[in-house]
Amino acid sequence: DTEVTQTPKHLVMGMTNKKSLKCEQHMGHRAMYWYKQKAKKPPELMFVYSYEKLSINESVPSRFSPECPNSSLLNLHLHALQPEDSALYLCASSQDWDGPNEKLFFGSGTQLSVL
Amino acid sequence: RKEVEQDPGPFNVPEGATVAFNCTYSNSASQSFFWYRQDCRKEPKLLMSVYSSGNEDGRFTAQLNRASQYISLLIRDSKLSDSATYLCVVTGPTGGGNKLTFGTGTQLKVEL
Repeated sequence: DTEVTQTPKHLVMGMTNKKSLKCEQHMGHRAMYWYKQKAKKPPELMFVYSYEKLSINESVPSRFSPECPNSSLLNLHLHALQPEDSALYLCASSQDWDGPNEKLFFGSGTQLSVL
Repeated sequence: RKEVEQDPGPFNVPEGATVAFNCTYSNSASQSFFWYRQDCRKEPKLLMSVYSSGNEDGRFTAQLNRASQYISLLIRDSKLSDSATYLCVVTGPTGGGNKLTFGTGTQLKVEL
């Protein structure tokens, strides 16, 4: 069982809706990540938070807005999404951002469908 | 050239067979290497890290060749439960942290 918890597991939303994805970890990890994965493709990095500060934004459109309220929580706020944004959204965490041999622990993901 | 390349497969092998996957990476400054396993509609899970000296975990053996910039994964005595997509992951310094780059994945199907 994963120690990174994501909710909801499934989400269907219209293009005018506002929704949020939530992620929680209690492993004391200092780095948290959002990835997007389309079918039969590898995960693509979206955002990295290190010590609750945004370290990387991979040129993600502003309709995706990340938030890190504390070291255990990571949110992804969604607004005015497009059908092509439909994908599996994966949260991950690691002990640190810039340590050697960092291993990622993934949540089970949110399968998002935008209608 | 992609940063991390893998043969997408699928590799269809009979139960009990030995199968090997390769992965090449383009950044010679890459520092850490991993194999992750992903089942259909599930999240990726770490299978093993890959070290220069090579490392083994049960039926799985991983090798790293820095000179040729490739890593490999060998699975012996394949089980039906080994059927999954195997993702090669490489990290390298990006000036302020290690960024993981995923390969496209190699699909393995183990059959009776």
